[in-house]
Amino acid sequence: GAGVSQSPRYKVTKRGQDVALRCDPISGHVSLYWYRQALGQGPEFLTYFNYEAQQDKSGLPNDRFSAERPEGSISTLTIQRTEQRDSAMYRCASSLWWGRGFGTEAFFGQGTRLTVV
Amino acid sequence: SQQGEEDPQALSIQEGENATMNCSYKTSINNLQWYRQNSGRGLVHLILIRSNEREKHSGRLRVTLDTSKKSSSLLITASRAADTASYFCATGQGGSEKLVFGKGTKLTVNP
Repeated sequence: GAGVSQSPRYKVTKRGQDVALRCDPISGHVSLYWYRQALGQGPEFLTYFNYEAQQDKSGLPNDRFSAERPEGSISTLTIQRTEQRDSAMYRCASSLWWGRGFGTEAFFGQGTRLTVV
Repeated sequence: SQQGEEDPQALSIQEGENATMNCSYKTSINNLQWYRQNSGRGLVHLILIRSNEREKHSGRLRVTLDTSKKSSSLLITASRAADTASYFCATGQGGSEKLVFGKGTKLTVNP
């Protein structure tokens, strides 16, 4: 697609339910990032992938959070046994890759607004 | 965790004035990027400066990087009402693609 696509755009779930958030990156982008953003704050790093390999998951808050990118394209962020404190905007971004640690601009999706009631 | 710290947290100026925002960080980086976000919407990349660069320009934007002081500044010249947004710096961590954002500066440009 033309840009990073995230679905659903809005998700309301009951406390204790599992949710899966999907990210479809720009075609050909190797790196894929997940962030969480609270209102009025900057994006908080959760995890990132190069191809299908999860390179860094140090930002995942606890073991209820997991992410995968099995074929190196679409990624899913799963939150198990959701809690009210998980309510936030979850953002995905993707970027090209020119070599280890080179760094390129990240393109962000519109995000998924998760509300846990 | 967030590495970059933007300063000031909020800035209000008149149209036509220049706006300067600063970013400080703590660890080794390979690049530093600036992003803009309008009213909680998507983040848009503005400019990227690598650790071996000191200054970069893009249109009305000027970015400087001082790795000895672990700081960067973003200058927007001749500001417009449409520049009203939150601005975030993001640091590319040394040796990886990990991109860590700061808390942002909220800029208001009054017509």
